[in-house]
Amino acid sequence: GQQVQQSPASLVLQEGENAELQCNFSSTATQLQWFYQSPGGSLVSLLSNPSGTKHTGRLTSTTVTKERRSSLHISSSQTTDSGTYLCAIATGTGGYKVVFGSGTRLLVSP
Amino acid sequence: DAGVTQTPRHEVAEKGQTIILKCEPVSGHNDLFWYRQTKIQGLELLSYFRSKSLMEDGGAFKDRFKAEMLNSSFSTLKIQPTEPKDSAVYLCASSSLGVQNTLYFGAGTRLSVL
Repeated sequence: GQQVQQSPASLVLQEGENAELQCNFSSTATQLQWFYQSPGGSLVSLLSNPSGTKHTGRLTSTTVTKERRSSLHISSSQTTDSGTYLCAIATGTGGYKVVFGSGTRLLVSP
Repeated sequence: DAGVTQTPRHEVAEKGQTIILKCEPVSGHNDLFWYRQTKIQGLELLSYFRSKSLMEDGGAFKDRFKAEMLNSSFSTLKIQPTEPKDSAVYLCASSSLGVQNTLYFGAGTRLSVL
């Protein structure tokens, strides 16, 4: 079945530092999304990026489809960025399955 | 537009009870997903509907978990009978038709089975 591996499992930064999160997947993905989940909160979509590079605010995602990997770069981290970042892929047309990685837990300290 | 609405936000059940969780997807969305989230297993797919048709029933969850979508704007997840290991957060998500589209999640229902 599809596997999504995220690294690192956890990351601790000082405010202002940059973060680089990785997502590797075992199957061809027609869609890839990065989600943010605050402690005790629900999931919020950050970026949809099945290929190439996309930016939004302080976030940059780069997906290399043929190498089955994606990264999420957070620049100038803030304490409010603390939480879990999840990568999810979807494959197929018609019916499809969305599979999530186990996430990277980010803690940004002041 | 309203997002995905899940009720109740919290549920406490005794072992063996039947509980029903509810979800209203984003208006106009054709795809609806039910997930279970635990710290150990992460997010696990329970059911997936496309235009009210069940596309994926989550395999291992079939025996006590039943999701239904009687109309395009409402879905239920029934757990019968509940077991303590069912304690988790249950998340509902919806998306417009098409694999390219963004998933929108509800706030979830936190279930505790005693």
